[in-house]
Amino acid sequence: QQQVKQSPQSLIVQKGGISIINCAYENTAFDYFPWYQQFPGKGPALLIAIRPDVSEKKEGRFTISFNKSAKQFSLHIMDSQPGDSATYFCAAGESGNEKLTFGTGTRLTIIP
Amino acid sequence: NAGVTQTPKFQVLKTGQSMTLQCAQDMNHNSMYWYRQDPGMGLRLIYYSASEGTTDKGEVPNGYNVSRLNKREFSLRLESAAPSQTSVYFCASSLDRGSYNEQFFGPGTRLTVL
Repeated sequence: QQQVKQSPQSLIVQKGGISIINCAYENTAFDYFPWYQQFPGKGPALLIAIRPDVSEKKEGRFTISFNKSAKQFSLHIMDSQPGDSATYFCAAGESGNEKLTFGTGTRLTIIP
Repeated sequence: NAGVTQTPKFQVLKTGQSMTLQCAQDMNHNSMYWYRQDPGMGLRLIYYSASEGTTDKGEVPNGYNVSRLNKREFSLRLESAAPSQTSVYFCASSLDRGSYNEQFFGPGTRLTVL
C-alpha cells in the first residue's frame, strides 16, 4: 500500500521557470514532511522539510506548500536552474515512529 | 568526516549466492537504516536499527538479514540472492530515533543478481 503518492514521475522545465512537484498522503498521523534531492550516482540528501503547524516554508528558491485538509504538500522551485536537475523524493513521518515513508520520486530536468 | 560509507559500490551475483553489504558512519549517530531503490518504486525501507543493539523490520524485509555490529556499523546480508533483489541499496543514519531526524545517506551499492 503506497501511503505517499508523488506526481509527476518526470518533469521538464525551462531555465528560469517554476518547477512544481506534488505529493498526497493518506495517513493523518503523519506530522513531518521532508523533501530529499538525489543527483545521479549519489544518495539522497535532505533539501527542506515542514511540519503541519505551518502552511508554507521557504528556503531560498525552494518552497514547501502544505494543505492539511487536502492531505497534500508540494515542492516549488523558483527560477529553476540546470543544477537543480535531479530526482526529488517527498516523504512523510510521524512522531513516535522511526520510519519515513517515501514517494516514488520525480525526475526533474531543467533545460536551457 | 566521511559521513556514511558503503562497500562495495557495485556487485554482480548469481542466483543463490550470498553476500554482505557493509555500511559505516562516523557521525556518532544512533539510528541506521537500509533502503532499496527501484525504478518507479522510490525508496523502500528494508530494516532499521533505532539504536545500538536493536534491529527492526521495515517494509520489505523478506530475503534479508541485518546486523548492527556496533554503533558505527550496520550490515545487510543476502543469504540466497534472487533476481528480484537486483536493486540499488542505500544505507542511511540519523542522530537519534524518530522520523523528525534528518537521515544522511551513503552513496549506494548497485547490485545485480543474474
